Amino acid sequence: DAMVIQNPRYQVTQFGKPVTLSCSQTLNHNVMYWYQQKSSQAPKLLFHYYDKDFNNEADTPDNFQSRRPNTSFCFLDIRSPGLGDAAMYLCATRGTDSYEQYFGPGTRLTVT
Amino acid sequence: QKEVEQDPGPLSVPEGAIVSLNCTYSNSAFQYFMWYRQYSRKGPELLMYTYSSGNKEDGRFTAQVDKSSKYISLFIRDSQPSDSATYLCAGGNFGNEKLTFGTGTRLTIIP
Repeated sequence: DAMVIQNPRYQVTQFGKPVTLSCSQTLNHNVMYWYQQKSSQAPKLLFHYYDKDFNNEADTPDNFQSRRPNTSFCFLDIRSPGLGDAAMYLCATRGTDSYEQYFGPGTRLTVT
Repeated sequence: QKEVEQDPGPLSVPEGAIVSLNCTYSNSAFQYFMWYRQYSRKGPELLMYTYSSGNKEDGRFTAQVDKSSKYISLFIRDSQPSDSATYLCAGGNFGNEKLTFGTGTRLTIIP
């Protein structure tokens, strides 16, 4: 089945220690998104790629970076995680023929 | 004022009842709306996607959009315990990648 896959599902990192979360998709979608969702809050868009074009939301901290080496993969790098970065990180994709976004299962990040 | 508002609940209804979930929005530029279901500690699952005012039905689910009053609803018929989840509404407009979500309504279906 075509899908959005996120690894790992659970990640524990130490305060200030860089961490990378990964997302892959078999849908061959052009657009990939990264969202942050804290407990009982709405998902918040961090940035997205339209093909290779990177688009950052204005209020996304510089601590968050992303890479998309090819159509299938996208990475979220948190350079120096703080306690406030503990959250669920969601990857989503969409094709160019629709605005429907399809989400992966998420990575729950804990910062100790 | 948040762009998309949802009553957080929790909402508890007996199995078999009709569930009504509602959102209001303030951004008149929204051109499409989505409903997602999110189980605990999982990613959101797309349930319904509507472009225009009116009703859209898919199985037990009906999405309703009233652009004149900036009000969107999701109805679930013959509710099942497996429908217990958080339901997120979202709005967006063509040409802008940002999908704006509500905070979700937590629903429990009681067997």
